[in-house]
Amino acid sequence: EAGVAQSPRYKIIEKRQSVAFWCNPISGHATLYWYQQILGQGPKLLIQFQNNGVVDDSQLPKDRFSAERLKGVDSTLKIQPAKLEDSAVYLCASSLDVGQGSSPLHFGNGTRLTVT
Amino acid sequence: GEDVEQSLFLSVREGDSSVINCTYTDSSSTYLYWYKQEPGAGLQLLTYIFSNMDMKQDQRLTVLLNKKDKHLSLRIADTQTGDSAIYFCAESIHAGNMLTFGGGTRLMVKP
Repeated sequence: EAGVAQSPRYKIIEKRQSVAFWCNPISGHATLYWYQQILGQGPKLLIQFQNNGVVDDSQLPKDRFSAERLKGVDSTLKIQPAKLEDSAVYLCASSLDVGQGSSPLHFGNGTRLTVT
Repeated sequence: GEDVEQSLFLSVREGDSSVINCTYTDSSSTYLYWYKQEPGAGLQLLTYIFSNMDMKQDQRLTVLLNKKDKHLSLRIADTQTGDSAIYFCAESIHAGNMLTFGGGTRLMVKP
């Protein structure tokens, strides 16, 4: 089965610019997650979708970050405007079904964002 | 609040066993996971354990859970150079698989 696809692989922008990341989950996976991984730290959840609805976005900095999953498949994560502290790897993950703890998360390779 | 802690670094010789430790604070954790991250890659699920178990073995991997002390460990038998990576433990408290990750343990395997 094809894995979680993310693009771009790398992005370098200046502070105050905008950036968007794209994720295509594994086919049939209802749940999609965006995580932020700052260098030297573990991933932190930004937002979780179940199909095209938001399950949890309590840790998403909504003044600058937004995410959508309009058709319940692909998702985009946007930062506008970017700050230096947004430099991180943005990981997308998907799982088969919410509420099933044994349904593991499958991660993409991430987008590495550098804000200068 | 939720907190998952790991030691930063572990170095072993090829062929030895590695033991990576993790502590967590929320006693309502239902599932505990171990993920592996190689340079430039995403996270790969290695294994997981339900909170009502105290041990799980999967080939070279053994997971031990001490629920009383909120302590989780991952033992890798016969460690190989290909096992060099960062290992993250994670807990899932809420239904819905939202994971809280530790900071990761960098495992270095010397030939």
